[in-house]
Amino acid sequence: RKEVEQDPGPFNVPEGATVAFNCTYSNSASQSFFWYRQDCRKEPKLLMSVYSSGNEDGRFTAQLNRASQYISLLIRDSKLSDSATYLCVVTVNYGGSQGNLIFGKGTKLSVKP
Amino acid sequence: DAGITQSPRHKVTETGTPVTLRCHQTENHRYMYWYRQDPGHGLRLIHYSYGVKDTDKGEVSDGYSVSRSKTEDFLLTLESATSSQTSVYFCAISESDTYEQYFGPGTRLTVT
Repeated sequence: RKEVEQDPGPFNVPEGATVAFNCTYSNSASQSFFWYRQDCRKEPKLLMSVYSSGNEDGRFTAQLNRASQYISLLIRDSKLSDSATYLCVVTVNYGGSQGNLIFGKGTKLSVKP
Repeated sequence: DAGITQSPRHKVTETGTPVTLRCHQTENHRYMYWYRQDPGHGLRLIHYSYGVKDTDKGEVSDGYSVSRSKTEDFLLTLESATSSQTSVYFCAISESDTYEQYFGPGTRLTVT
């Protein structure tokens, strides 16, 4: 089983739509969770951290279900500028470090006028 | 944006030649990382550093070495480049190993 799995998409949605991305992870010891976005030919940029209680940042809401090892990202009122690839990221142990990141392959979102 | 630069930004080299990529940060963060990104794969960790002269291997470290002689610089070396090392290489920094990471702009390396 892959460590972090995401639906690759693409998700093609009209402006103003609500879209949800899901992610599952295999390492039950993972401690930290993030969503990054990556524009074409650019570096990944942190979108938001994901907390057990769920958290919201404007139009973006992230949820974590540790029992099911499941993370979600909800985008409301989609904008053209939301078009990007969204990466689900969890931390795993490597050597003496607690928090090396494992990235999903990403879900591509395309918001159309 | 976090102060991270990578050099060179683009490089074409021949099989068998040595290549060194540089990551420079101005944030004084303790942790630095090298990743590669290839189509069909997520970002994969090559090596990381948790302090000056302290480094460790990641998931795909074969064929790569790293060095960190100063807090601000983390070098990735391909001792003898192969075509399978054609990729986009990203450097990242973090204050702590459990905190979010911030990425540099990337280096596109082509090995012919």
